[in-house]
Amino acid sequence: TQLLEQSPQFLSIQEGENLTVYCNSSSVFSSLQWYRQEPGEGPVLLVTVVTGGEVKKLKRLTFQFGDARKDSSLHITAAQPGDTGLYLCAGEPTGANSKLTFGKGITLSVRP
Amino acid sequence: NAGVMQNPRHLVRRRGQEARLRCSPMKGHSHVYWYRQLPEEGLKFMVYLQKENIIDESGMPKERFSAEFPKEGPSILRIQQVVRGDSAAYFCASSLLAGETQYFGPGTRLLVL
Repeated sequence: TQLLEQSPQFLSIQEGENLTVYCNSSSVFSSLQWYRQEPGEGPVLLVTVVTGGEVKKLKRLTFQFGDARKDSSLHITAAQPGDTGLYLCAGEPTGANSKLTFGKGITLSVRP
Repeated sequence: NAGVMQNPRHLVRRRGQEARLRCSPMKGHSHVYWYRQLPEEGLKFMVYLQKENIIDESGMPKERFSAEFPKEGPSILRIQQVVRGDSAAYFCASSLLAGETQYFGPGTRLLVL
């Protein structure tokens, strides 16, 4: 079983602060996705990264895929209360036949 | 997750009853995946289906659980003789092609009393 470790597990910050969270594995992934999940809802896709070293930006969110395709980071600039939620990373291990492996998630709280 | 529909959103069953969870994929998507999310746990893969075929059921318990995706109609995840440990959120996702991005539905929260 290939595991995705997300850190930190919980993060509480003040509005306007910057933050970086991580998704790490000892295994190689053919692609990696970041999702955001609100309470009582399903995960909503934020980004998919597929190339080692790839950087993608989505407004104030910056996603990076590690060169070796084993890890990823999410950086949020000037966090807002609307960023509050559960951030999940998910990867498709090489040869996994479309089966996604999920991390346990990072619970982010942004205080006004 | 707009487009993937699941019903019911909440389901309460007593131990020993059957639970049927339905998933309608996004329009044009023929690949469906079921995941289970237990409290304090990440989502765990259960089964991957394409129209009328089970592609990978390696994450699904061998007993009491079954899944289908008929030629017409939604995908069904069926749990027979439910036990309290089956209480969880069950999510369905769909993709246009194998290996492409999966889009999730809102989930069905199953509570077994």
